Amino acid sequence: GAVVSQHPSWVICKSGTSVKIECRSLDFQATTMFWYRQFPKQSLMLMATSNEGSKATYEQGVEKDKFLINHASLTLSTLTVTSAHPEDSSFYICSARRDRGPFNEKLFFGSGTQLSVL
Amino acid sequence: DAKTTQPTSMDCAEGRAANLPCNHSTISGNEYVYWYRQIHSQGPQYIIHGLKNNETNEMASLIITEDRKSSTLILPHATLRDTAVYYCIVSQTGNQFYFGTGTSLTVIP
Repeated sequence: GAVVSQHPSWVICKSGTSVKIECRSLDFQATTMFWYRQFPKQSLMLMATSNEGSKATYEQGVEKDKFLINHASLTLSTLTVTSAHPEDSSFYICSARRDRGPFNEKLFFGSGTQLSVL
Repeated sequence: DAKTTQPTSMDCAEGRAANLPCNHSTISGNEYVYWYRQIHSQGPQYIIHGLKNNETNEMASLIITEDRKSSTLILPHATLRDTAVYYCIVSQTGNQFYFGTGTSLTVIP
């Protein structure tokens, strides 16, 4: 149990377009989800905390207008990279914390989305 | 910000125990110690976590010192598939996870 599905696994887009990445908790409810980005050979960097029914909380230095987060339901959060540029190319990973039940103190991670902006 | 310090890399012979250390000297009383690993181009995989007591599951053992300022993840019989980057994270229940640089473990045949 406790599966987090992330879609798409990889995406290639042209510079200036927007890309949406979905993160779903398949078998549990998650009021809180998190979005990370990871550059090659580097660690995961927390971008924002996504809260169902309210605005996301962004980490310092992350542009909220660039990375739009919507957490419309207890099982779905989306990250939209707006007006993508080559420097936005990265591996994006979501994670979710289950609202109740066993192991609700740990995070479950999606498999990641590799974004390449041409 | 990450509150942990780990060695950058380690090697381990296949079949031997891999012992991965982590320092978290500023850990507070209600923060858990979590271990995750990441295989190239995948999302992090949960391994184990603990608060005060040592923990063991089917993947690994977690040894936390009495003062809780450091811990060791033990993979009892390392296999080639255990080659990955291992992250030690400290966090309170409900809080964010901040990743440090992790330890790149290479299991050698």
